[in-house]
This record gives sequence, C-alpha cells and structure tokens, in this order.
Amino acid sequence: DVKVTQSSRYLVKRTGEKVFLECVQDMDHENMFWYRQDPGLGLRLIYFSYDVKMKEKGDIPEGYSVSREKKERFSLILESASTNQTSMYLCASKQGNEKLFFGSGTQLSVL
Amino acid sequence: DQQVKQNSPSLSVQEGRISILNCDYTNSMFDYFLWYKKYPAEGPTFLISISSIKDKNEDGRFTVFLNKSAKHLSLHIVPSQPGDSAVYFCAAPPPQGGSEKLVFGKGTKLTVNP
Repeated sequence: DVKVTQSSRYLVKRTGEKVFLECVQDMDHENMFWYRQDPGLGLRLIYFSYDVKMKEKGDIPEGYSVSREKKERFSLILESASTNQTSMYLCASKQGNEKLFFGSGTQLSVL
Repeated sequence: DQQVKQNSPSLSVQEGRISILNCDYTNSMFDYFLWYKKYPAEGPTFLISISSIKDKNEDGRFTVFLNKSAKHLSLHIVPSQPGDSAVYFCAAPPPQGGSEKLVFGKGTKLTVNP
C-alpha cells in the first residue's frame, strides 16, 4: 500500500532553533509537497519539488527552505523557528495528475 | 484571492440524515475536483473526485455533484454516520498550469451527532 512517512508526530522546539522535518515516500513519485494546516486557514502550500534537487516556492515559503537530495526524501527546514510557525505540517506526494497522498502530519510547537 | 472556496467552516447533522458540504470556485477553466477527508492528528485522505465532463460521481454513501454553470460542487453523504465527523477539503488542480499542485479550500468541519 501507498506510504508517506513523516519522521515525527509531535515536536517541541524553542524560538531560534533550526528545525528539520523529514518525509519519505515509497511510491517512486516525482512530486513531493509540504503543506501547513492552521485552523480557519485550511491547507497552505509551503514548497514543492517535481524532481530531485528541484524545488519551487508555494504560497507561503517565507521562513522555510527545503531539500530533495533523493527522490524518496523531501525535507522541510526552519532555519530559525518562530512562534508563528507553530502548526501541523503535512507532507504529500503524487505522480503526474494522480491524487495526492499525505503523511500523518507533524504537530510542531515553537515555544 | 481564493480560487476554491468553502464558505461554511462547520456543519452539524444528526446520524442517519444527509450531510451536504459545498464548494465554489472562481475560474470556469477548472476541470477536475477532489474531496479529501481529515481526522484530527492524521493526514488528509482522498475521498472522491469528479471530472468536468460529468455532473455526478457516486461511491457508496458519498456522491459529488458538479454544477459548471454555477461554478459549484457539493459532496453529499447519505446516511451520515458518527465516523464521518472530520474536516472535509475541496481541491482542484489550477487551470493555469502547474497541475502538480492542488488548490485547496479552507475546509468544512462536519460533526455527525449520534
């Protein structure tokens, strides 16, 4: 069965820390995505990648960067975490026009 | 500017009754729509989709209707069950290209009361 795995379900970090969120998919999908979900704001796209070492900004890239060194792995980096980055982070992958598969999410709290 | 809109943030229905979740879109060039369901502390899962060449798609208790002239789609759940309580997102690939991405609505939280 299809699997998108996010390394942590819950994370607590301090303001100013560098944070890495890891995501791995086992479906050989070309496209991978990072979203955040906040109450009342829905799902907002942070970054996506359509190939290894390729990345594009989504709707809210400020304060984030990404890395895709291998096809199956897509990392989201918060260079200096801030309290307004407290959120549920969702990784997803898809192939072409097929549907999007999501991981279980990482609830990040920045104190 | 939001291209896909879910104007009701929440909906509450009784078990056994029909749930109707609505979604509006602004660009008539959208040609494919998806509904996702999300439980708390889990990632969204795909529920049902519809292409613009159809006006209805049914899968068990779930039916999606598309009204292209009104730029409106709706998800019907009949009969509603307590396990259907979740946040439902409407989504579509943007017509201007970049079909790898999906544009999501803000979601509607459905509560089905026993």
